[in-house]
Amino acid sequence: DAEITQSPRHKIIETGRQVTLACHQTWNHNNMFWYRQDLGHGLRLIHYSYGVHDTNKGEVSDGYSVSRSNTEDLPLTLESAASSQTSVYFCASTGTGIYEQYFGPGTRLTVT
Amino acid sequence: AQSVTQLDSQVPVFEEAPVELRCNYSSSVSVYLFWYVQYPNQGLQLLLKYLSGSTLVKGINGFEAEFNKSQTSFHLRKPSVHISDTAEYFCAVTLGGTASKLTFGTGTRLQVTL
Repeated sequence: DAEITQSPRHKIIETGRQVTLACHQTWNHNNMFWYRQDLGHGLRLIHYSYGVHDTNKGEVSDGYSVSRSNTEDLPLTLESAASSQTSVYFCASTGTGIYEQYFGPGTRLTVT
Repeated sequence: AQSVTQLDSQVPVFEEAPVELRCNYSSSVSVYLFWYVQYPNQGLQLLLKYLSGSTLVKGINGFEAEFNKSQTSFHLRKPSVHISDTAEYFCAVTLGGTASKLTFGTGTRLQVTL
């Protein structure tokens, strides 16, 4: 069965460190998204990609970057982690002409 | 730009009682609407969606929602809830197009008790 996976599921890092969160989907979807979930804010879009080598900023992109070198993966990098980036991160994907998004299980990131 | 408002952050309800979770949206153009459910420590799962056609849409686990264009609402209902329905529920909207970004509401925590 097609799926979308995220790794690691939990991560604790120190302030100022770099960390990359992985997202891998086997749906063969062109479109991939990264969200962060915080209490009282719901899910907010960080970055998204419409295909290989395409990346776009979402509403809360400061301090984050993504790259898309193939269809299946969209890794999210925090260049210099800050305590404000402690959150649960979700990856999602959708195909052309499909409007609902399919979500991964999430990564809980704690920046100490 | 579109936005979504979920007026109730928490909804407590007894088992077997009916429930309605409210969702209002704002957009100057036509939208597509979704309800997602998130069980503890899990990702989001699609409950139901409205794209076009009948304004009453049925989803999984006995949930349904009604699209009301004049009131810009998309409320979620279930006639009789179960303990297992305890979860966070998110309303979301997209403008459609080739690759649609979702805008989410802040979520409603449904707490079902005996």
